[in-house]
Amino acid sequence: DADVTQTPRNRITKTGKRIMLECSQTKGHDRMYWYRQDPGLGLRLIYYSFDVKDINKGEISDGYSVSRQAQAKFSLSLESAIPNQTALYFCATSESSTGSYNEQFFGPGTRLTVL
Amino acid sequence: QQQVKQSPQSLIVQKGGISIINCAYENTAFDYFPWYQQFPGKGPALLIAIRPDVSEKKEGRFTISFNKSAKQFSLHIMDSQPGDSATYFCAAIIGGANNLFFGTGTRLTVIP
Repeated sequence: DADVTQTPRNRITKTGKRIMLECSQTKGHDRMYWYRQDPGLGLRLIYYSFDVKDINKGEISDGYSVSRQAQAKFSLSLESAIPNQTALYFCATSESSTGSYNEQFFGPGTRLTVL
Repeated sequence: QQQVKQSPQSLIVQKGGISIINCAYENTAFDYFPWYQQFPGKGPALLIAIRPDVSEKKEGRFTISFNKSAKQFSLHIMDSQPGDSATYFCAAIIGGANNLFFGTGTRLTVIP
């Protein structure tokens, strides 16, 4: 079984709709992340969470919100989707850092299209 | 503003050849530089990483060369194989921080 899973894998929605992307992990990691990937731009951090009570904005948080329901679950919501949010979305996890880098493990991605 | 600049955008190499991908950065606070490999339909996966206190790190056919004074680093793939065909991302991070800054990616195609 995959350590980091994302649902749905593909989603097509319309402008103005609310949509939630879900991420679950079995790695036992405290830290979870949401990134979006756009052609020619690489991956950019949307939100990250150190634990259930700690949520932080990343580089491009406008238009997004998140919820950390449990250590293993981290959801990304688009309250009112717009076409420029069409992208590939990745969830990632890592162990807690103590001043050094801890490898981030990525899920398989969710391809979101907003019409 | 792109924190990490990566080139080329795409690369085609013959089997057995050397693939070279280059990255540059400005923020001298970065102290860890991982490379990620992404196959179609998959998430990125850590390939190899380097700290700026060493000039080179080698793991099998993959080598990172690091030039701290020039603020540049590169990935060399020796004896490139068709199975290496993937998108490669360089990245940079400040140790203990959480924002992993990615380059724009290089799509590598290795022709048999």
